[in-house]
Amino acid sequence: QKEVEQNSGPLSVPEGAIASLNCTYSDRGSQSFFWYRQYSGKSPELIMSIYSNGDKEDGRFTAQLNKASQYVSLLIRDSQPSDSATYLCAVFYNQGGKLIFGQGTELSVKP
Amino acid sequence: DGGITQSPKYLFRKEGQNVTLSCEQNLNHDAMYWYRQDPGQGLRLIYYSQIVNDFQKGDIAEGYSVSREKKESFPLTVTSAQKNPTAFYLCASIPGTSNYGYTFGSGTRLTVV
Repeated sequence: QKEVEQNSGPLSVPEGAIASLNCTYSDRGSQSFFWYRQYSGKSPELIMSIYSNGDKEDGRFTAQLNKASQYVSLLIRDSQPSDSATYLCAVFYNQGGKLIFGQGTELSVKP
Repeated sequence: DGGITQSPKYLFRKEGQNVTLSCEQNLNHDAMYWYRQDPGQGLRLIYYSQIVNDFQKGDIAEGYSVSREKKESFPLTVTSAQKNPTAFYLCASIPGTSNYGYTFGSGTRLTVV
């Protein structure tokens, strides 16, 4: 079983719609979860972090965490063409202090 | 400005050659990491170091070597034993073992010619 798993996509949404990105993880002891955005040829950029069950909102982005289901999601409201990128889910494993990444979901926002 | 500097941005390696990728940080971070990214894939951990003079293998350490002689520097050597080294290499750091997410460098794109 992969430690962090995402739908690889590509996910295509029209401009102005809500994009929903999902991620599951295998380690029940994980406490820290992150979403990174990566444009083609660039390094990942941290956009959201979440540590507690529930929702966390930052501008157009909402991260959702359900530790019982071992599930993390990212919602992007009012999607813009500039949001077109690959979104990486990452889970912090306390043992070894390392981030484990999913394979990423490619998002395409069509004007 | 504080940050992580990776160099070079592009690197070409001939068959059978060792090459070293540089990673320097001025953030006073304790822990540093090397990841490899292949096209259309996520990041895979090569090596990481939580303190000076100590490092651990990640998931794909074969064919790579590292050193951590200074807190600021964590160079990665891609040896001739790495049979498929063409990839995008990313260096990252965090203070201690905090869980606030990594800071990444801008990456080095390595190509075998």
